[in-house]
Amino acid sequence: DAGITQSPRHKVTETGTPVTLRCHQTENHRYMYWYRQDPGHGLRLIHYSYGVKDTDKGEVSDGYSVSRSKTEDFLLTLESATSSQTSVYFCAISEYGNEQFFGPGTRLTVL
Amino acid sequence: KNQVEQSPQSLIILEGKNCTLQCNYTVSPFSNLRWYKQDTGRGPVSLTIMTFSENTKSNGRYTATLDADTKQSSLHITASQLSDSASYICVVSPSFTSGTYKYIFGTGTRLKVLA
Repeated sequence: DAGITQSPRHKVTETGTPVTLRCHQTENHRYMYWYRQDPGHGLRLIHYSYGVKDTDKGEVSDGYSVSRSKTEDFLLTLESATSSQTSVYFCAISEYGNEQFFGPGTRLTVL
Repeated sequence: KNQVEQSPQSLIILEGKNCTLQCNYTVSPFSNLRWYKQDTGRGPVSLTIMTFSENTKSNGRYTATLDADTKQSSLHITASQLSDSASYICVVSPSFTSGTYKYIFGTGTRLKVLA
């Protein structure tokens, strides 16, 4: 995995609790993305960032917020986790139009 | 609406056989089209990339083709190996002029190679 890490790798939490996932890159890429992957849906974009403090919504952004205070870190927050947010979350980085490099994923279970 | 559709959803073949996966897209104009391989429990990894002006691109036993007129791409796998068992995802990048930085993903084809 090209200089991109995600933490935690696995998390189990309860409905209603806040959860923050972290994506960290060492490649200095401008663009960072959060996706969720569920059976039958493929990868769906939650939020993305096109620079420090510059973010925009994806197709499934409800219930999620993001922050990017420095180039290397992109945080995804579930304000109040629900069972429908049980999924595998992938972070990706790129320079736009070029290859996206994906992190190893975070498996989140909301009970 | 920009969409990428892949077929078949799943495929089972015997080791050593060839197979072809299909990708149809409606994204226009587009910058490039990529095929990714995703092993179980891991993030996707790029196999090939093609711009709209390219017709074919190879990466070892993987050969991708593109027909920009019909908006179709295919990924051909030759002499399949057990390690080819994975999901294969077609991804299209809209042109910069579209004003978006979002990649368009297909839902993938799950390939299983049997010994």
